[in-house]
Amino acid sequence: AQKITQTQPGMFVQEKEAVTLDCTYDTSDQSYGLFWYKQPSSGEMIFLIYQGSYDEQNATEGRYSLNFQKARKSANLVISASQLGDSAMYFCAMREGNTGNQFYFGTGTSLTVIP
Amino acid sequence: DSGVTQTPKHLITATGQRVTLRCSPRSGDLSVYWYQQSLDQGLQFLIQYYNGEERAKGNILERFSAQQFPDLHSELNLSSLELGDSALYFCASSVGILLTNEQFFGPGTRLTVL
Repeated sequence: AQKITQTQPGMFVQEKEAVTLDCTYDTSDQSYGLFWYKQPSSGEMIFLIYQGSYDEQNATEGRYSLNFQKARKSANLVISASQLGDSAMYFCAMREGNTGNQFYFGTGTSLTVIP
Repeated sequence: DSGVTQTPKHLITATGQRVTLRCSPRSGDLSVYWYQQSLDQGLQFLIQYYNGEERAKGNILERFSAQQFPDLHSELNLSSLELGDSALYFCASSVGILLTNEQFFGPGTRLTVL
C-alpha cells in the first residue's frame, strides 16, 4: 500500500486565489511527521511546512497552512494568495515514529498559477 | 541555498560504467539521505546514514552502494550503469533522526547514461 497518496497530478489556480493540494497518508504508528516540499522547475527541493501527529493546531508558515485531519489521515496543503512563483511541483512526505528514519514521498502535484 | 552541496551537478556517462556522486551535508547535520528521482518512478528513497552508520535502506539496487565518512560527507557509488539509471540524484541532510527534523535537499546531480 502507498504510504503517501497525492491524487491530483496537476492543478491550476488563478493568481491571488487560494488553492488546496491534497495528501492522504497510511500509517499504523501513533507518532509521525508530515512534510510538504516544493520543487520548482530549477529542480531543487524546498521545505515548506511540518505537522506532527500530536500537534493539536494546524501548522502555518506564511502563506502556507496545513489542513490536518487525523481521523481521515489527510494533510492537505493550502496556499493562500497564490503568486506566479508558486508554480512548481509539490510533494507531501511522511516520517514514521517507529522507523524514525525513512521519508516516504508522494508522487507530487504540479501546480500552475495563471496570471 | 539549503547548505547541502552536491557534486558534480551533471554527469554523462556510458552503460556499464561506474560513477561516484558526492554530498556534503549542512554544517551540524549528522544524517544524510540519498534519493533517486526519475520521471516514471517519482522520488525514491535509497539509503540513509546517521553519524557514519547506515540507518535505513530503501529501494537501492545491489549495483549501488554508499557510505558516510568521518567528516560526515557521503558518497553514492553507482556501478554497471544502465540506461534506466538516468535520473536526478538528490542528497538531503537533517540534524538528527527525530520526527521534527526536516530534511534539507541539495541541488541534485543529474545523471545521464547513454
